[in-house]
Amino acid sequence: DAKTTQPPSMDCAEGRAANLPCNHSTISGNEYVYWYRQIHSQGPQYIIHGLKNNETNEMASLIITEDRKSSTLILPHATLRDTAVYYCIVRVAFWDKIIFGKGTRLHILP
Amino acid sequence: NAGVMQNPRHLVRRRGQEARLRCSPMKGHSHVYWYRQLPEEGLKFMVYLQKENIIDESGMPKERFSAEFPKEGPSILRIQQVVRGDSAAYFCASSPGTGGVNEQFFGPGTRLTVL
Repeated sequence: DAKTTQPPSMDCAEGRAANLPCNHSTISGNEYVYWYRQIHSQGPQYIIHGLKNNETNEMASLIITEDRKSSTLILPHATLRDTAVYYCIVRVAFWDKIIFGKGTRLHILP
Repeated sequence: NAGVMQNPRHLVRRRGQEARLRCSPMKGHSHVYWYRQLPEEGLKFMVYLQKENIIDESGMPKERFSAEFPKEGPSILRIQQVVRGDSAAYFCASSPGTGGVNEQFFGPGTRLTVL
């Protein structure tokens, strides 16, 4: 079973920042937080991951709380192409199998 | 720099036939994973392979399903005597194992339809 909890859906206006929350209250000290997304029937796409520090790349930012029990994925300027299901995952290492939960269906509104 | 390749992209089989799904990992990647997505459901892990070895097959159905990743050539997911409930999208992912970008990269999937 997935170790994360996410809202089933969210809306965000195009051009605004999309903030997607994730709870992982039972995360272990050696587990990373990963984010993937799946755009309509395509293969999942890696977005970002982190252990305890905040991370930023060309796609998004990841904010992890100090106690590591929750995190937020931030898409700084959402576009219609960001409409997808976003999955928050915790796992020990990149070679671990991925246990997908139900994710958050993000709708970007024009 | 080709990504993960899967073929065929669409496969139609009649009940009782065999389905063979192929996955070519990214260049330099020695780890392959298979996931299944049933209609209107989430992605489920099936099996994790390295060259010539099955590392974790905890998500594989006990019967009719098998996977291999030979020394040469693509990884194969084989489903014998398909049933309608096998209709799904099957995704393959690969990772380098050591070095490189530490992540799993997914292919476009094979959509299996069982008539």
